[in-house]
Amino acid sequence: GENVEQHPSTLSVQEGDSAVIKCTYSDSASNYFPWYKQELGKGPQLIIDIRSNVGEKKDQRIAVTLNKTAKHFSLHITETQPEDSAVYFCSSGSARQLTFGSGTQLTVLP
Amino acid sequence: DGGITQSPKYLFRKEGQNVTLSCEQNLNHDAMYWYRQDPGQGLRLIYYSQIVNDFQKGDIAEGYSVSREKKESFPLTVTSAQKNPTAFYLCASSMGGTGRGELFFGEGSRLTVL
Repeated sequence: GENVEQHPSTLSVQEGDSAVIKCTYSDSASNYFPWYKQELGKGPQLIIDIRSNVGEKKDQRIAVTLNKTAKHFSLHITETQPEDSAVYFCSSGSARQLTFGSGTQLTVLP
Repeated sequence: DGGITQSPKYLFRKEGQNVTLSCEQNLNHDAMYWYRQDPGQGLRLIYYSQIVNDFQKGDIAEGYSVSREKKESFPLTVTSAQKNPTAFYLCASSMGGTGRGELFFGEGSRLTVL
């Protein structure tokens, strides 16, 4: 089955700096790569996704890149704000079934 | 408001007891899922259902059971056969079929076995 590795497990940045979270996946058949944000005590929420026919996607301060050859994908958050502090999960698979990474606790320091 | 409702939010049980977690959605989604979340391990799939009266095992189905008698409801039973049931359980739904694939999650149920 699919295996997703996510790094780092914790990340602290100063407010206004950028944050980058990286993931690798194992199944070359995977074609859908969503990212979820989980705030304390809540369920995860989709923040951005990318499909295998696209190399990069951007939505305001958030961008995701995908390298299918290397089986890498990354989340980039620019101009970080305190409300960006949360746990972020990458995931990989198809629209029918996803495998999640182990999560990254992002802390934005004021 | 449309969404996923999980209950109870917190649940305590003694060893050897079965417990059922409720999950209801009013999004008219075909697919529903149960995930288990443990610290540092991300989300692991327990069971999923793409359509009423049908469901499949996920990666960690042992010690769990589900039913899908109605489109809106996908209850999860944690049985006494589950060796380490203390965890945070998340229910999710999606359009299914050829839909976008976005998962909509509930706010979770935290089960503690005493």
